[in-house]
Amino acid sequence: DTAVSQTPKYLVTQMGNDKSIKCEQNLGHDTMYWYKQDSKKFLKIMFSYNNKELIINETVPNRFSPKSPDKAHLNLHINSLELGDSAVYFCASSQVVRGGNTDTQYFGPGTRLTVL
Amino acid sequence: AQSVAQPEDQVNVAEGNPLTVKCTYSVSGNPYLFWYVQYPNRGLQFLLKYITGDNLVKGSYGFEAEFNKSQTSFHLKKPSALVSDSALYFCAVHSGSARQLTFGSGTQLTVLP
Repeated sequence: DTAVSQTPKYLVTQMGNDKSIKCEQNLGHDTMYWYKQDSKKFLKIMFSYNNKELIINETVPNRFSPKSPDKAHLNLHINSLELGDSAVYFCASSQVVRGGNTDTQYFGPGTRLTVL
Repeated sequence: AQSVAQPEDQVNVAEGNPLTVKCTYSVSGNPYLFWYVQYPNRGLQFLLKYITGDNLVKGSYGFEAEFNKSQTSFHLKKPSALVSDSALYFCAVHSGSARQLTFGSGTQLTVLP
């Protein structure tokens, strides 16, 4: 069974469209994340949710809106897509351990978004 | 603020030779340090982590890393490289309660047959 899964794997769309990427984890973790990996392979956190509550919200355009229907799912909706949004988006999950610290993050396979 | 530096964009090593991928970090408080590997068109796979305890940490696929507090380093090592180890390696850090994981820029490891 895949621990952290994302759909779709590839997403090709026109500028100005709205699209969503879905993420699910079956690890029983309480924290989920979205990362963006740019063309130079640089990874940057975008959002994090703990038990459906937003806890990290980096400087990301408000065209990006995360939604967590339950703690096993964290979806990413992107409005009015721009050329610069082309990247690979990774979902990850982890568990908060004692003392409020977080354990290892486990990553999904990524969604390659191409905006034309 | 926390940061990670991977000073080498590219490391080449001959198969069978030892390899080292360098990582230095900066964090307030005690560091939680991680190494991940990314194969082409794949997600990140966890290799190993240092939280506390023994400075030498052993992980998957024969990799190990040494935590050096005085040098704020966490270099990844393997005694004998395999061609299949060729991949992009990321070092990452957070300060425990800071749930945000900060990644280095990545080091492309190429093991030559």
